[in-house]
Amino acid sequence: ETGVTQTPRHLVMGMTNKKSLKCEQHLGHNAMYWYKQSAKKPLELMFVYNFKEQTENNSVPSRFSPECPNSSHLFLHLHTLQPEDSALYLCASSQDQGSGANVLTFGAGSRLTVL
Amino acid sequence: GQNIDQPTEMTATEGAIVQINCTYQTSGFNGLFWYQQHAGEAPTFLSYNVLDGLEEKGRFSSFLSRSKGYSYLLLKELQMKDSASYLCAVRESNYQLIWGAGTKLIIKP
Repeated sequence: ETGVTQTPRHLVMGMTNKKSLKCEQHLGHNAMYWYKQSAKKPLELMFVYNFKEQTENNSVPSRFSPECPNSSHLFLHLHTLQPEDSALYLCASSQDQGSGANVLTFGAGSRLTVL
Repeated sequence: GQNIDQPTEMTATEGAIVQINCTYQTSGFNGLFWYQQHAGEAPTFLSYNVLDGLEEKGRFSSFLSRSKGYSYLLLKELQMKDSASYLCAVRESNYQLIWGAGTKLIIKP
């Protein structure tokens, strides 16, 4: 247990479904991140929230929609996904985006399969 | 352009030493990180280098040469539990993190 909890750990959905991924941290961190991890590829940053404000949106398709209701919770809403969106989605948190070493604490990820 | 290179896979023997290299070309430099990720688990922080030289932390050490755009992670007295992927990441001047694709380390008895 790293202090960052992601649910569900596994999700299978059809292309017409709507689902959400949830991330929760109780580390007192102010920055939260969504990353996509595909096999043998670098981590892809999707979204960043710093003090609940979205600071990064790395050209992510609109079928992915983030929500950050408070500093401890982060959601990724999914709708009309494509099979190529199948991947491990990692949530991370850090003290804040611009501070010091800004070490990330990751959750174990949500393994998404789109049929 | 931005690029991080590290070997895709390495194999080493239990009890031995292994060095995982990482070379980078980025827009500015504000630190280099190594993370460990066991299969099906969260990446966990191993080390952070911002100045040239060697940082030692138990069986693991990390080296940085900013002039050469080069780092390595050195693992000594390898144990079976060290079988994992090792991710190199560079923080650019704008605080963006650029990640390598990771090195899968296989430890054999």
